[in-house]
Amino acid sequence: EIVLTQSPATLSLSPGDRATLSCRASQNIDSDLGWYQQKPGQAPRLLIHDASNRASGIPARFSGSGSGTDFTLSISSLEPEDFAVYYCQQRHNWPPWTFGQGTKVEMK
Amino acid sequence: QVQVRESGPGLVRPTGTLSLTCVVSGGSISGTNWWGWLRQSPGKGLEWIGEIYHSGAVNYNPSLKSRLRISVDNAQNQFHLNLTSVTAADTAVYYCVRVLQNIGYWYDAWGLGTLVTVSS
Repeated sequence: EIVLTQSPATLSLSPGDRATLSCRASQNIDSDLGWYQQKPGQAPRLLIHDASNRASGIPARFSGSGSGTDFTLSISSLEPEDFAVYYCQQRHNWPPWTFGQGTKVEMK
Repeated sequence: QVQVRESGPGLVRPTGTLSLTCVVSGGSISGTNWWGWLRQSPGKGLEWIGEIYHSGAVNYNPSLKSRLRISVDNAQNQFHLNLTSVTAADTAVYYCVRVLQNIGYWYDAWGLGTLVTVSS
């Protein structure tokens, strides 16, 4: 099973700041990584698939990069609605498909 | 726009069977996409349960496989989750999702989620 490790666990930032979230895979997963955003009481929402492709309707301030074992989700300038928990997920080796434990982006 | 919605009992007794239905609206379940179930509990985060294709082909999480059955009803445009011999560890919010083929099988549509508590 592929383990995804996200860091940091919590990121304390202000609106307008740049956010950089990390996801590291326990083995090579090529570019088979996605990112999801989850707000309290809501289901996750797909932001990025295949490491760097924005999903439909996702603002350009969200970008993904990386391949192999190290991946990054960047938010160029945080909007108030971006404060949430972010999860990475791999679809390279199964079963099972696995998720990271999440990074919470909170308002400083 | 495709939507999915979970339904089912919110309380299940230990050793009983957890049964949920996911209704697909705004599109046909019989296309090129897969359909899936995930769950989220405070102790384990997001966990993949399994996925099904309209043909009935399934992929299961090995950790649940002996207790799990996912089935599809093409006529009703819905799919189902059955998990037997439940314990408190199965308490979670359960989500059904669409696994979109044309972006590489990622979860692009999620239900609101339904909380299932296993308790006597």
